[in-house]
Amino acid sequence: DAKTTQPPSMDCAEGRAANLPCNHSTISGNEYVYWYRQIHSQGPQYIIHGLKNNETNEMASLIITEDRKSSTLILPHATLRDTAVYYCIVRAALGTGNQFYFGTGTSLTVIP
Amino acid sequence: GAGVSQSPSNKVTEKGKDVELRCDPISGHTALYWYRQRLGQGLEFLIYFQGNSAPDKSGLPSDRFSAERTGESVSTLTIQRTQQEDSAVYLCASSLDTGFYQPQHFGDGTRLSIL
Repeated sequence: DAKTTQPPSMDCAEGRAANLPCNHSTISGNEYVYWYRQIHSQGPQYIIHGLKNNETNEMASLIITEDRKSSTLILPHATLRDTAVYYCIVRAALGTGNQFYFGTGTSLTVIP
Repeated sequence: GAGVSQSPSNKVTEKGKDVELRCDPISGHTALYWYRQRLGQGLEFLIYFQGNSAPDKSGLPSDRFSAERTGESVSTLTIQRTQQEDSAVYLCASSLDTGFYQPQHFGDGTRLSIL
């Protein structure tokens, strides 16, 4: 069952910020938001995750709305190597259910 | 350090044959997952192992699919009497599940083609 909704594709100019939205209106209180990306012919790569506070790491920032019904992944300075499919996933912490659904994600193309 | 390793990277076999796919997780990772990804699709959860607990097999699509894991090391996914719809990339992931969330680390998958 899909628990997240993402646009199928997006373009971003190289050097600009890429903002990838995700809707998760049915998210439960104990469910985290995770982002992964998959570059062609490779396995998915973990990017970032959060529960309710905004998070930042060396790869990206995650902005979660106050009601937690949506979030945005921000790649601050997109490069050509960021071209990939980006997956937004919601999942409960360990012990409360292990299934989760990647969906079809957003195909991000970074344009030179 | 070494990541998740899967073998073979590619497998072509005839319909009706059995296949066995292997996953070597990152050393020390107690959790291991198998997924299937059909061409142009998202990942489909198959099975999850956590330490010595009974595996979560709820994602296995039929009784032709089975998986085993030896302790906290190697796992094998077996597909019996393969069908053409089994053609997909089979991905394995492992994580440090220590009671709270840890990110999953994926291998590059086994591309299975059923003729």
